[in-house]
Amino acid sequence: SQQGEEDPQALSIQEGENATMNCSYKTSINNLQWYRQNSGRGLVHLILIRSNEREKHSGRLRVTLDTSKKSSSLLITASRAADTASYFCATDAPVNRNQFYFGTGTSLTVIP
Amino acid sequence: DAGVTQSPTHLIKTRGQQVTLRCSPKSGHDTVSWYQQALGQGPQFIFQYYEEEERQRGNFPDRFSGHQFPNYSSELNVNALLLGDSALYLCASSLVGYGYTFGSGTRLTVV
Repeated sequence: SQQGEEDPQALSIQEGENATMNCSYKTSINNLQWYRQNSGRGLVHLILIRSNEREKHSGRLRVTLDTSKKSSSLLITASRAADTASYFCATDAPVNRNQFYFGTGTSLTVIP
Repeated sequence: DAGVTQSPTHLIKTRGQQVTLRCSPKSGHDTVSWYQQALGQGPQFIFQYYEEEERQRGNFPDRFSGHQFPNYSSELNVNALLLGDSALYLCASSLVGYGYTFGSGTRLTVV
């Protein structure tokens, strides 16, 4: 399966700390994306990183991609209570760049 | 600029019934994908529509069917509902090479 897998499944930190989530996948990709989901609602796109990129930043988010290890990480710096959500990585399909496979997600709890 | 709109928000159906879910994509997007998300799981790809045709399909039975209209909006139909079809159904629109924009989903409960 191409499906990404996030690690850890659950993460609990204090407000102000950094949170790191990892994603591993099995086959080659064109793009990898990270999404956030609050309480079973729709997913919000956070960041897309292409296979020829190694690192990308967006505000308090930093994403890295290591295609040799087939892994990615999402770092949220200076976490806030509002960051409490589930985070998913999504990898595209080799033959269809517009189809994405999601993992089971990391549930992040930020304690005020 | 309106994002992705899904209707209805919530739905309760009885086993064996049929259901139709609707999705209006973000303005400018031409591709619509449907996902099923069971409680505590990640979204599972059902199928994708582009130019009014099903371009790709995930591992879902034929009870799941869809349609895309000339204005790019889309419908997901599920026949002969099972209890296991209870889930959040997500619609996402996109342009090739870019990320999805998701709707808020339709929560389907089959009783």
